[in-house]
Amino acid sequence: DSGVTQTPKHLITATGQRVTLRCSPRSGDLSVYWYQQSLDQGLQFLIQYYNGEERAKGNILERFSAQQFPDLHSELNLSSLELGDSALYFCASSVEARANYGYTFGSGTRLTVV
Amino acid sequence: AQKVTQAQTEISVVEKEDVTLDCVYETRDTTYYLFWYKQPPSGELVFLIRRNSFDEQNEISGRYSWNFQKSTSSFNFTITASQVVDSAVYFCALSEAGGSSNTGKLIFGQGTTLQVKP
Repeated sequence: DSGVTQTPKHLITATGQRVTLRCSPRSGDLSVYWYQQSLDQGLQFLIQYYNGEERAKGNILERFSAQQFPDLHSELNLSSLELGDSALYFCASSVEARANYGYTFGSGTRLTVV
Repeated sequence: AQKVTQAQTEISVVEKEDVTLDCVYETRDTTYYLFWYKQPPSGELVFLIRRNSFDEQNEISGRYSWNFQKSTSSFNFTITASQVVDSAVYFCALSEAGGSSNTGKLIFGQGTTLQVKP
């Protein structure tokens, strides 16, 4: 158990729908990161939050949004889902805002859009 | 621009063979960090090693060793006497930690799938 908890582990939904992925960081970690892993794009950085504030944004679609709550858990909202959004979504956490020491990943949420 | 290249898409070896996974990176920063992560068939991403740009010492951890060469911008990973349990996808990643960078973004390579056959 890495200490980073992601729910749900699996999600199957239809095109056009909206889903919310949840992440609880490791105790003491202030940064939360979201990554998307698809077969054709590899591991792509989506967004980072640090202590409730957005710190960095990557290749995140406008249909996607995220937030980090006061208790430091984070949610990634995906809307108007398309078949191409099917992927493994990882959350990771770290103590600091930079990745100098790397970070710990959760086990991922596998999203299937049908 | 930052980039990580893992040219080997798939490697297949027989158990007990040694195998080296290549990683080449591009960055304009003088301070940066390099990482290797392992993704076994179960899907999670497991941290293996971190190396900063000022430390070019090679590292050995059991059957694993890493060779960092700044002159060739490479950070290669060798598994000695491979085992079936080493079968996984291995990712090399880069973080720019110096200058104006104040984010935790990691740039990942495309990954190398290692299959170790019994």
